[in-house]
Amino acid sequence: EAGVVQSPRYKIIEKKQPVAFWCNPISGHNTLYWYLQNLGQGPELLIRYENEEAVDDSQLPKDRFSAERLKGVDSTLKIQPAELGDSAVYLCASSFSRQSEQFFGPGTRLTVL
Amino acid sequence: DQQVKQNSPSLSVQEGRISILNCDYTNSMFDYFLWYKKYPAEGPTFLISISSIKDKNEDGRFTVFLNKSAKHLSLHIVPSQPGDSAVYFCAASASSGTYKYIFGTGTRLKVLA
Repeated sequence: EAGVVQSPRYKIIEKKQPVAFWCNPISGHNTLYWYLQNLGQGPELLIRYENEEAVDDSQLPKDRFSAERLKGVDSTLKIQPAELGDSAVYLCASSFSRQSEQFFGPGTRLTVL
Repeated sequence: DQQVKQNSPSLSVQEGRISILNCDYTNSMFDYFLWYKKYPAEGPTFLISISSIKDKNEDGRFTVFLNKSAKHLSLHIVPSQPGDSAVYFCAASASSGTYKYIFGTGTRLKVLA
């Protein structure tokens, strides 16, 4: 069974540029999560989707971050414009339901110069 | 406000000996706890979990203990193997809320051959 797929794995951009991350969850998983992981910290939830509905986006900085999950499968997380402090690993995870164990993808390491 | 704390950033153990990783939490609403293991350049992978109705859960070499009165949980690995060298995150969630995972900052375990 394929795991959670994320791309790109690494991204280097200059500040003020836009960037987008893509996630394909495990087939059949209705719940999708985007996490931010800073160096030396644990993952922090940015947004959670139940199918195509964003049900918890309280930690998403909405002035520059946006996300979508069209058709309740793949998801895209966008930052526009990127700031130096956005340099981090962005993790996508999925689960069958919100009560179920979460499976993580390998993450996208973003470096903003 | 760190609701889940892992106060030991790193731990070194000889191969074959016991590794004990600790985690403390502050929110009494948490009733489900998990441990994730993370290798470099990979996403966290689920290791073991425990519900608050139990005080111990065992899976092979891995055992998690929960002390609700002390708001403390620990992960025991016996015997430790070099392949166990990784960063270990504990996480907690509340079934009365959104099941959102709150992660600790991680403990880097190094098992010496």
